[in-house]
Amino acid sequence: AQSVTQLDSQVPVFEEAPVELRCNYSSSVSVYLFWYVQYPNQGLQLLLKYLSGSTLVKGINGFEAEFNKSQTSFHLRKPSVHISDTAEYFCAVRLGPLGGKSTFGDGTTLTVKP
Amino acid sequence: DTGVSQDPRHKITKRGQNVTFRCDPISEHNRLYWYRQTLGQGPEFLTYFQNEAQLEKSRLLSDRFSAERPKGSFSTLEIQRTEQGDSAMYLCASSDRRDSNEKLFFGSGTQLSVL
Repeated sequence: AQSVTQLDSQVPVFEEAPVELRCNYSSSVSVYLFWYVQYPNQGLQLLLKYLSGSTLVKGINGFEAEFNKSQTSFHLRKPSVHISDTAEYFCAVRLGPLGGKSTFGDGTTLTVKP
Repeated sequence: DTGVSQDPRHKITKRGQNVTFRCDPISEHNRLYWYRQTLGQGPEFLTYFQNEAQLEKSRLLSDRFSAERPKGSFSTLEIQRTEQGDSAMYLCASSDRRDSNEKLFFGSGTQLSVL
């Protein structure tokens, strides 16, 4: 079975500062990796995904993540955050390319302060 | 494309009552998922359908829970004899099997409160 650990439940940061949200996963087989964002009173939206190929993936809103197989990590980064990035962020893994369940971490609340 | 629609947005019920939620996926999407999310936790997989076939069901799902997707379009999730521990946000998501990346599109959820 696979599992996902998001190492920080809350990350406060000042506007225009860089941020990293950490995600580690555990799986005995290869997985597909995702980051989702949930803004207040909205559904989850896909930020970015790693399926194969380049280990550095870029997503929407200036976010990027790097897949590190040896460390089983998929950390999310943004070089300069905005107030509008305040939201909850979820890391998720999925076993296969053809559907099936995704396993989510417990989320990291990013709060951007002015 | 109106996105994934869930109804109702909120449901308050008394313990022991039955409740049913509805999910309307994006029209061309043939896969539909149900997740449950409690405060401070990430979404937890419940079940998923490809067209009308229920392909996977979580072992965590008790017999009180049942989901259907009779015509391969909308889906319903029923909880019988609700318990206080069933209080959670119930999320529906859909995806297109033809999309090799299989991006999930989530609805805004149904918040269930069991008193």
